[in-house]
Amino acid sequence: DTGVSQDPRHKITKRGQNVTFRCDPISEHNRLYWYRQTLGQGPEFLTYFQNEAQLEKSRLLSDRFSAERPKGSFSTLEIQRTEQGDSAMYLCASSPSTRHPRGRGPYEQYFGPGTRLTVT
Amino acid sequence: LAKTTQPISMDSYEGQEVNITCSHNNIATNDYITWYQQFPSQGPRFIIQGYKTKVTNEVASLFIPADRKSSTLSLPRVSLSDTAVYYCLVGEGGYNKLIFGAGTRLAVHP
Repeated sequence: DTGVSQDPRHKITKRGQNVTFRCDPISEHNRLYWYRQTLGQGPEFLTYFQNEAQLEKSRLLSDRFSAERPKGSFSTLEIQRTEQGDSAMYLCASSPSTRHPRGRGPYEQYFGPGTRLTVT
Repeated sequence: LAKTTQPISMDSYEGQEVNITCSHNNIATNDYITWYQQFPSQGPRFIIQGYKTKVTNEVASLFIPADRKSSTLSLPRVSLSDTAVYYCLVGEGGYNKLIFGAGTRLAVHP
């Protein structure tokens, strides 16, 4: 596995600006998830895709947030009109839709390194 | 998804065995118990998963009593590199969102 990659790793932006993050999942994985993590807390689910279809969105995902996975491969998460409260680590994860070939259970997700967003 | 309760923090020393217990009183029949590890500035990493009794892999062991209302993650002979946050999650088998709590911050000292 080459692992899940995210770009950029760090982003500093001014309040009111738009930002876009990219996630490249493990190539054979057709499920892709986005989470947000603030300091001292566990990750919070935002949304997930099965191939190109967005199947679930958290109520945390306000109208300023939009996620896409146009070809069922990489995904983008865009935040419009950023606010200071958007400062967090944005994590992407992927998983296959069947049992992992190495025999682990059915409930494993592989996380990327995250994009740390700072809104000033 | 079932709510979990685990200690906020634990301290240990190199070479000791560490046991982190998680309570999940409302676990459902279809729920699995999964533990993730997270180092600073990294995404969580899967450690181990089980449904009942004991599961062991190269990293840890997971003990689950018959009533499944709690579970214990056991890390043998910890080293400084095991300093991390450990999350206990329960949920039905399948590929869906994960619900994390605040986790247990383990600090391993020399």
